[in-house]
Amino acid sequence: GEDVEQSLFLSVREGDSSVINCTYTDSSSTYLYWYKQEPGAGLQLLTYIFSNMDMKQDQRLTVLLNKKDKHLSLRIADTQTGDSAIYFCAESMNDYKLSFGAGTTVTVRA
Amino acid sequence: DAMVIQNPRYQVTQFGKPVTLSCSQTLNHNVMYWYQQKSSQAPKLLFHYYDKDFNNEADTPDNFQSRRPNTSFCFLDIRSPGLGDAAMYLCATSSQRAYNEQFFGPGTRLTVL
Repeated sequence: GEDVEQSLFLSVREGDSSVINCTYTDSSSTYLYWYKQEPGAGLQLLTYIFSNMDMKQDQRLTVLLNKKDKHLSLRIADTQTGDSAIYFCAESMNDYKLSFGAGTTVTVRA
Repeated sequence: DAMVIQNPRYQVTQFGKPVTLSCSQTLNHNVMYWYQQKSSQAPKLLFHYYDKDFNNEADTPDNFQSRRPNTSFCFLDIRSPGLGDAAMYLCATSSQRAYNEQFFGPGTRLTVL
């Protein structure tokens, strides 16, 4: 099965908060990431969290990590139309390899 | 601006006809990666270069090869493309000191007829 799992779709109203969830299986993951992919573009690193942290906040983005449940979430406050994209969760250990989830397509409606 | 550039953005080839995809970077990063991303799937690492050292993933088919003639350029060669090789191919780079921060190019979408 997949090492990293995400729900496939999320629809949110403009101005509301979005929460994208991810679960992973490898307890030895060192870093956990959120990437954003807009149509026709490559992946953009949004933020990442080290596995000994519970939370990281960066402007409108808040990452929560529950290491016991192997659950990672990304909250986007005040969601805008420009936030419509595919969001990928990824994990890595102490090497160069990233393991990605299949991505969550976020659609922001007016 | 420092960036990762991929050419071409769209590539069409015929079944069995060799094709080469190109990636260049102005970040002076010593690690370069190639990922394959099929429709609605997660990007999958094919291989990476650490400087000139080539590191192949165990499940990467022999049909896929790579060359890195210098720090700035890396090529993906598909020797005999099959229909199942149609995908987006993503190039990424990272520095040795911040290997966990990978910078991606816009990708090349490969169509196999």
